[in-house]
Amino acid sequence: EAEVAQSPRYKITEKSQAVAFWCDPISGHATLYWYRQILGQGPELLVQFQDESVVDDSQLPKDRFSAERLKGVDSTLKIQPAELGDSAMYLCASSFGQNVDEQYFGPGTRLTVT
Amino acid sequence: AQSVAQPEDQVNVAEGNPLTVKCTYSVSGNPYLFWYVQYPNRGLQFLLKYITGDNLVKGSYGFEAEFNKSQTSFHLKKPSALVSDSALYFCAVRDMGGSGAGSYQLTFGKGTKLSVIP
Repeated sequence: EAEVAQSPRYKITEKSQAVAFWCDPISGHATLYWYRQILGQGPELLVQFQDESVVDDSQLPKDRFSAERLKGVDSTLKIQPAELGDSAMYLCASSFGQNVDEQYFGPGTRLTVT
Repeated sequence: AQSVAQPEDQVNVAEGNPLTVKCTYSVSGNPYLFWYVQYPNRGLQFLLKYITGDNLVKGSYGFEAEFNKSQTSFHLKKPSALVSDSALYFCAVRDMGGSGAGSYQLTFGKGTKLSVIP
């Protein structure tokens, strides 16, 4: 069964450093999502792509976070500089469309900022 | 704004007993509702969704959910719990994204930890 791939699985970084996460969605899925999940809470959407275009980044802290999906396939989420409050699980998901299609999630990247 | 609430942080049930994980929602239009399950150190897995039609929705791993419009609820159920069902369960509602560009994002509840006791 096809899966969403993410790397790295775990990342420890010092505050003020830069960090990047990578996601490869299920083949053929046009819509890609990045979520942040803080311990004890549900995932919160950071950014949504339709192919290579950003559809929604209203919750993305744009002063330090950036995301791209240059060829409409895999995607990178970057944080620069990282802050202590960024410690969380970063989840990538993909779906065939963006309407009521179910989203398929990757295993996530657990970020710890020290 | 649309929202979803999961009133129980934790649900404990004995193996073999029926289980229910509660979810209530608030939407301005037609509700599109989802249940996901998360195992430790794993991403979320889709269980089932309600879009329209029959109020009883059947999903993966023997789970089902009952949509109740008058009570604005979408409770997750299983007739006989397994120890392997122990996980974190999230209810979600589809709403319009913040950009207003026609995007549809999921708003998740805070999750309910299900523990099935042998």
